Amino acid sequence: QTVVTQDPSFSVSPGGTVTLTCGLRSGSVSTNYYPSWYQQTPGRSPRTLIYNTNIRSSGVPDRFSGSILGKKAALTITGAQADDESDYYCVLYLGSGIWVFGGGTKLTVL
Amino acid sequence: EMQLVESGGGLVQPGGSLKLSCAASGFTLSSYWMHWVRQVPGKGLVWVARINGDGSDTSYVESVKGRFTISRDNTKSTLYLQMNGLRGDDTAVYYCTRGDAHAFVLWGQGTMVTISS
Repeated sequence: QTVVTQDPSFSVSPGGTVTLTCGLRSGSVSTNYYPSWYQQTPGRSPRTLIYNTNIRSSGVPDRFSGSILGKKAALTITGAQADDESDYYCVLYLGSGIWVFGGGTKLTVL
Repeated sequence: EMQLVESGGGLVQPGGSLKLSCAASGFTLSSYWMHWVRQVPGKGLVWVARINGDGSDTSYVESVKGRFTISRDNTKSTLYLQMNGLRGDDTAVYYCTRGDAHAFVLWGQGTMVTISS
């Protein structure tokens, strides 16, 4: 019963553009959920990419952008590179001091 | 350089207790909410607990309520997670993270907790 939903896997060609999404099992994601996005490679700590819907964390290239698309939060990667191949997680703040991660999307660059 | 360093992980028997620590440096700990996030190896991230800046307010994921206690000592720039009544499904890497704008903006390297007899 995953409250926050992400596609389990996605693929993109090198140089291509991909949009990963983050939804709710019931309802729509809005900025009020303060969606944030994290990149993680095996054996490493997560890296913060985007917070508060569309603010890039320090040092994150502008190839990464966040938005709300329809009923979901979205992470768009433009000009995909080989080292973008990672797991990507979104988090939503549900209020009352509760945060929930999505199940993650495994992105393959090929 | 801003840094978080976790410690205290290890192997514990079911039903046992463990206290994790997270030492903060390069910033003023008291200015930030802090969180613990865990990850079963090969699985996804799970938010576990949060504490506000002065330690007066906490929140937990349902599965650890009544068993885990998050606390902080701002004078020592250290965050803690006291874990009691440990179960096999608590086995995970535990990360401490600094909160900002309802996100997790600085991460430690993680400490492994293994619950097994």
